[in-house]
Amino acid sequence: DQQVKQNSPSLSVQEGRISILNCDYTNSMFDYFLWYKKYPAEGPTFLISISSIKDKNEDGRFTVFLNKSAKHLSLHIVPSQPGDSAVYFCAATGGATNKLIFGTGTLLAVQP
Amino acid sequence: GAVVSQHPSRVICKSGTSVKIECRSLDFQATTMFWYRQFPKKSLMLMATSNEGSKATYEQGVEKDKFLINHASLTLSTLTVTSAHPEDSSFYICSARLAGGPGTQYFGPGTRLLVL
Repeated sequence: DQQVKQNSPSLSVQEGRISILNCDYTNSMFDYFLWYKKYPAEGPTFLISISSIKDKNEDGRFTVFLNKSAKHLSLHIVPSQPGDSAVYFCAATGGATNKLIFGTGTLLAVQP
Repeated sequence: GAVVSQHPSRVICKSGTSVKIECRSLDFQATTMFWYRQFPKKSLMLMATSNEGSKATYEQGVEKDKFLINHASLTLSTLTVTSAHPEDSSFYICSARLAGGPGTQYFGPGTRLLVL
């Protein structure tokens, strides 16, 4: 049972344009959501998070949007840079658990 | 801030030996640390939750006698792979959660284990 889903395994974007990565979840008890960036053979790097009491959180080029009614969140990166090329994981936590439940990741390729 | 280190970064060992991996939170205290395993082209698989001063909580299907976890202090957790076999070869990643924090986990750089 995949509680957190990233339906796009990969995404290719031109440098300077917007990258939009999507994530859906099924567990209504989740109340905190995170995005991580990961390079091969490295640990994930925390990017940005959002609490369920908000619908938007912005940090520099990164903005996370949360639509609780649709159980959907997205990460916007603008403008995209070649150094943003990596695998992006969304994760969720909440309710009785302190575990992070990860999506399967989306490989972002930003073309120069 | 929120830096997590892992040691070693890479280890090669013979089948049957035990390997210890250390995970340290360098600039914060972590009452809870987590151990993950990542298979090629797969998402992170949570192996166990490590709580300072108490026994680890293992996920279903993870052998606790094979993957020994010790969380001796607020900044150190260790994972020992006992009697390692080639199928234990993998990328092991730890994370630490800020005490009292909202849930953000900060990850170490990972340890590549190769069992010959």
